[in-house]
Amino acid sequence: AQRVTQPEKLLSVFKGAPVELKCNYSYSGSPELFWYVQYSRQRLQLLLRHISRESIKGFTADLNKGETSFHLKKPFAQEEDSAMYYCALSVRAAGNKLTFGGGTRVLVKP
Amino acid sequence: TAGITQAPTSQILAAGRSMTLRCTQDMRHNAMYWYRQDLGLGLRLIHYSNTAGTTGKGEVPDGYSVSRANTDDFPLTLASAVPSQTSVYFCASSDTTGADTQYFGPGTRLTVL
Repeated sequence: AQRVTQPEKLLSVFKGAPVELKCNYSYSGSPELFWYVQYSRQRLQLLLRHISRESIKGFTADLNKGETSFHLKKPFAQEEDSAMYYCALSVRAAGNKLTFGGGTRVLVKP
Repeated sequence: TAGITQAPTSQILAAGRSMTLRCTQDMRHNAMYWYRQDLGLGLRLIHYSNTAGTTGKGEVPDGYSVSRANTDDFPLTLASAVPSQTSVYFCASSDTTGADTQYFGPGTRLTVL
């Protein structure tokens, strides 16, 4: 079965510093990877997906099949980036259902 | 457009009692999902429905049941609640299964005593 691991439960950075959230997955085929974000008092929402290859709110994520990773990066963190971030995986063999990692809470300090 | 609504917002329930968490979407999405969110474990899929009239088991289905009588509604029922079912429950929907963007409801915080 597929699995998603987010090794950091909490990341605390200062405003303007780079931030990288790690995500590793286990699946031998071709998965689709996503990052979802939950800001305080808001709903969980899609941040970005690897097939779009786009930058959202300054965040980027590259799928590395060799390392089975999909790390989320932003060069200059802002206070409004403070939130809970979830990496998720979808595979066609599992009916395209999402498997989520445990989540990383990001705290951006002023 | 409301998107996805869930009710109630929160509930305290005595162990052994039954409860139904409601979920309604107005986006005419085919697929709907129920997750539970627990600290350190992320979101885990309880049950899902690819289309009205069909349902399937997710990662943690025991103790829960669902029905999908129509496109809009996807209620989750706990027949006999236990303390380990204390969690935050999220309903979600997507236009197609999984690979498409999932849209989430605001959640229901359930405490089983």
